[in-house]
Amino acid sequence: EAAVTQSPRSKVAVTGGKVTLSCHQTNNHDYMYWYRQDTGHGLRLIHYSYVADSTEKGDIPDGYKASRPSQENFSLILELASLSQTAVYFCASSVGTDGNTLYFGEGSRLIVV
Amino acid sequence: GQQVQQSPPASLVLQEGENAELQCTYSTTLNSMQWFYQRPGGRLVSLLYSPSWAEQRGGRLTSSAASNESRSSLHISSSQITDSGTYLCAMGLSGSFNKLTFGAGTRLAVCP
Repeated sequence: EAAVTQSPRSKVAVTGGKVTLSCHQTNNHDYMYWYRQDTGHGLRLIHYSYVADSTEKGDIPDGYKASRPSQENFSLILELASLSQTAVYFCASSVGTDGNTLYFGEGSRLIVV
Repeated sequence: GQQVQQSPPASLVLQEGENAELQCTYSTTLNSMQWFYQRPGGRLVSLLYSPSWAEQRGGRLTSSAASNESRSSLHISSSQITDSGTYLCAMGLSGSFNKLTFGAGTRLAVCP
């Protein structure tokens, strides 16, 4: 079974503070993704990466940075957290392009106050 | 941008043993589809994936698609209480690194 683990699982952050969400996969997958899920909405892609030391913008990258220091690790960074960034964040990995299924982590619930 | 609409919207309640059909419609021509299952507060788990609009089967689950109608369906037969959760469909563009566009999901509750 593919394994994607996220930390922290839950966090309360102060507006304007810095938040780092971490993701680790043991699948030997090249592709990693960060999505956010809001109540009543589907998942939206924030950033993705297909190789270490390289990241790409997804559909909603504003206010977020990403870092891929190794194949196994992919972080999402909120330099200045805002109320609108309260959401559940999911990390995922996949083998490659064009339709391989995604393997998701358990999610990180972020509340910005 | 592309939009994915799921129905029934929001939620569906079934008696155990009943069948269910969930649908997904999308606004542009896409090349692949996936159905995911999510327990409350849990991770998404891929149920069925179809890269070529072929019908997919997995136990009590069947997905079918009509690309010319921009629609796909997930059929759940003989529902069980453990099927309760949220079902999300996702559509992908060919050659786009698995860039998926997700629907908002349908919450299914199966009652005894």
